[in-house]
Amino acid sequence: GAVVSQHPSWVICKSGTSVKIECRSLDFQATTMFWYRQFPKQSLMLMATSNEGSKATYEQGVEKDKFLINHASLTLSTLTVTSAHPEDSSFYICSARAGGPGNTIYFGEGSWLTVV
Amino acid sequence: KQEVTQIPAALSVPEGENLVLNCSFTDSAIYNLQWFRQDPGKGLTSLLLIQSSQREQTSGRLNASLDKSSGRSTLYIAASQPGDSATYLCAVEVDNDMRFGAGTRLTVKP
Repeated sequence: GAVVSQHPSWVICKSGTSVKIECRSLDFQATTMFWYRQFPKQSLMLMATSNEGSKATYEQGVEKDKFLINHASLTLSTLTVTSAHPEDSSFYICSARAGGPGNTIYFGEGSWLTVV
Repeated sequence: KQEVTQIPAALSVPEGENLVLNCSFTDSAIYNLQWFRQDPGKGLTSLLLIQSSQREQTSGRLNASLDKSSGRSTLYIAASQPGDSATYLCAVEVDNDMRFGAGTRLTVKP
């Protein structure tokens, strides 16, 4: 099946710094990518949806200036957590889809972010 | 706004037992419903995908049903094994995103 890869798998950063997480579709062109956040023992919460070449659409309550999402190509989307704080520590998962709604969505392996 | 609920939140069963996990959603206008497995600290593993026009899907010991009109899906696991211990998430695809339930944490005791 299709593969979506995230990098890094885990990262530790200091409070106040920025960290970037990459999401790549390895064998298909992802017209839409999604970013989720999952806190321990909780479910996945959608943060934003991005279409290639367009600005991301953020869910209510997600700060777009803090969580910068770039989807500059059909195979790569990046999530940058700016001025990270310990409360941003979480598991971040991306997913990608070729084509429109109803087509299969493939998930990355997730990235653990710890802010110290 | 679509809301997805999973019952029970946690389940512990002895090995060999058959079990059913439940998922309900508030808006029947879905493209599909998917069941995932998530092991602690790991990403998602897709188990079964049911398109909105389908009633069920089967894979090995797993069977998932979908009743779109009532907003319900069940995941049936036959002859449970300790290796089935994980969190099971259901998710529905609507419009332009996928909405997840909170999951059921399953423990199968040897």
